[in-house]
Amino acid sequence: EAGVAQSPRYKIIEKRQSVAFWCNPISGHATLYWYQQILGQGPKLLIQFQNNGVVDDSQLPKDRFSAERLKGVDSTLKIQPAKLEDSAVYLCASSLAFSYEQYFGPGTRLTVT
Amino acid sequence: AQRVTQPEKLLSVFKGAPVELKCNYSYSGSPELFWYVQYSRQRLQLLLRHISRESIKGFTADLNKGETSFHLKKPFAQEEDSAMYYCALTPGAGSYQLTFGKGTKLSVIP
Repeated sequence: EAGVAQSPRYKIIEKRQSVAFWCNPISGHATLYWYQQILGQGPKLLIQFQNNGVVDDSQLPKDRFSAERLKGVDSTLKIQPAKLEDSAVYLCASSLAFSYEQYFGPGTRLTVT
Repeated sequence: AQRVTQPEKLLSVFKGAPVELKCNYSYSGSPELFWYVQYSRQRLQLLLRHISRESIKGFTADLNKGETSFHLKKPFAQEEDSAMYYCALTPGAGSYQLTFGKGTKLSVIP
């Protein structure tokens, strides 16, 4: 089966610019997660979707980050405006509904200069 | 709030030697514990889950609720085991959100 797809794989922007990341989960996976992984840290959950509804976005910095999952399939994560501390790998993961096993995408490496 | 601690950033062992990657957690309830692995230039993937009690690629992990630990062990390390290992937990009881440790890089010396 095809895995979780993410694009772009790399992005370099200047601070105060905006950026968007795209994720296509495994077909049939109802649950989708976005994680932020800063260098030297483990992934940190930003937001969880179940179909097209938000389950938990308590760790999403809502003043600058937004995410949507229209139609319950693909998802986009946006940062506007970006700060230097947003430099990280952004991981998308998906799972079947009510499953503990998450499948991760390759990630998008964001560098903010 | 839950927390996962992996005390070693880097662990180097010789091929054929035993491996133990340490993981301690703090959570007041009954969490589900996992080990995820990321090989070089590959995606993060599930290695094993405590409730399944499986041995995957020769690795095992026992949940010790008294010591709140979930150490990953393998009796004889192989070069292909070199990777980044992350311990993670979910609160369980219908919550599937993962909290990860900072990871331990395992390097197996030939």
